[in-house]
Parts: sequence; structure tokens; C-alpha cells
Amino acid sequence: NAGVTQTPKFQVLKTGQSMTLQCAQDMNHEYMSWYRQDPGMGLRLIHYSVGAGITDQGEVPNGYNVSRSTTEDFPLRLLSAAPSQTSVYFCASSPRDQPQHFGDGTRLSIL
Amino acid sequence: AQSVTQLDSHVSVSEGTPVLLRCNYSSSYSPSLFWYVQHPNKGLQLLLKYTSAATLVKGINGFEAEFKKSETSFHLTKPSAHMSDAAEYFCVVSVGNFGNEKLTFGTGTRLTIIP
Repeated sequence: NAGVTQTPKFQVLKTGQSMTLQCAQDMNHEYMSWYRQDPGMGLRLIHYSVGAGITDQGEVPNGYNVSRSTTEDFPLRLLSAAPSQTSVYFCASSPRDQPQHFGDGTRLSIL
Repeated sequence: AQSVTQLDSHVSVSEGTPVLLRCNYSSSYSPSLFWYVQHPNKGLQLLLKYTSAATLVKGINGFEAEFKKSETSFHLTKPSAHMSDAAEYFCVVSVGNFGNEKLTFGTGTRLTIIP
């Protein structure tokens, strides 16, 4: 039981490049979410999913896409990276009505 | 809209003394509230949760929090601080329509323990 696994742990991109942050959970959780953490701002919700095939926008969705084709995986896509997307990204999952479990994060720098 | 406000961005206490981290919430109904801890360069770990079953909630590592509806507060306490408690602490409210699929975080309180 690995919990919530995020890959990669670190990534450096150039402005305009695209990439996908991977998130996988092996706990059969219904809910999955992506957050970004910036200094002094706590964590902010980017996108979330309440089940396979269902996604919705959070507080800061612009510049990001998600899909949920399986219960286990919830990738986050940056379509055209911008320096403002430099951040630490956290994926989380939970069963319905239970607290969220967080991955260890992906540190992303956009040059 | 539901929100949380952490009243202190930084708290310093001496080892062995009590810890108090303050959180106020704003909600039109009884919310689900959580405290999470983040150690340097790590993910977030759940300390405790409030879901209306009991107003005094006990968590891991000796932490507890009391839900006070009249004061709209959910302060985190620990009787005696340990060096390993040094970390960032987040007060969190659930804002989802179905359950805990959406969370709103406070801006965090960095706890420093003085030897």
C-alpha cells in the first residue's frame, strides 16, 4: 500500500513548455484533488474529481487541465508553462466523507 | 463562502511549554474542520478532524483542538512542546457539496521550538 504517489519530485521547465504531473493512489479512493502551495498563501485547490470520469474546477484552474479515466490516476497537465506556475504541487485523495491523504509533492520551477 | 483565518503566521515557544495555534472559521452551517501539519520538504499529515461528533477533538502526538461555535474558533493546543513539533500547521475547512472533496486552507502558522 503506497498511498498517494506523485512523480516527478522535482522538475525544471522553460516558459511555454508543456508537461504532466502524475498522481496515483492505490487505496480505491473516490475523491482526488490537486493543490498548489505558494509562500504565505497556504494550499489552493486547482482541480478536483469525485470519481472516474468526473472533474471540476477549483479556486485556481487557469493554465491547467485534468482528466480521470481511472479511479487510481489523476494527472495534472500544464499546457504552456508560465513563471507564475512555479510552485509546489500536491495531490490528495480520500474516500467519501473522510479526510484527504496527501502525496509528498512535486517542486516545479518555470524559467 | 466558508473560510478559515489563522491568526498568527509564526509562533515560538520553549520546549516543554504549552502550544496554542489559533484558527477562526467562517461558515453558514456546522463545518468539517481539520488541522494538518507539514514538516520541511514533506507532504501534509492529518493531526485531527472535527465533524460535529464532539467539540473537543484529540489528535496524534498529543495535540487537541476545541470547536467553539459561539466564538467560531478551532484552536490547536498541546500541553508540552517537543522539538519534533517544529513545523508548519494548517487549519482547513471542508467546502465540498458531497463531502471532503474540496478543502480551503488557512495561510499557515510556522511553529518554532526553542531548546
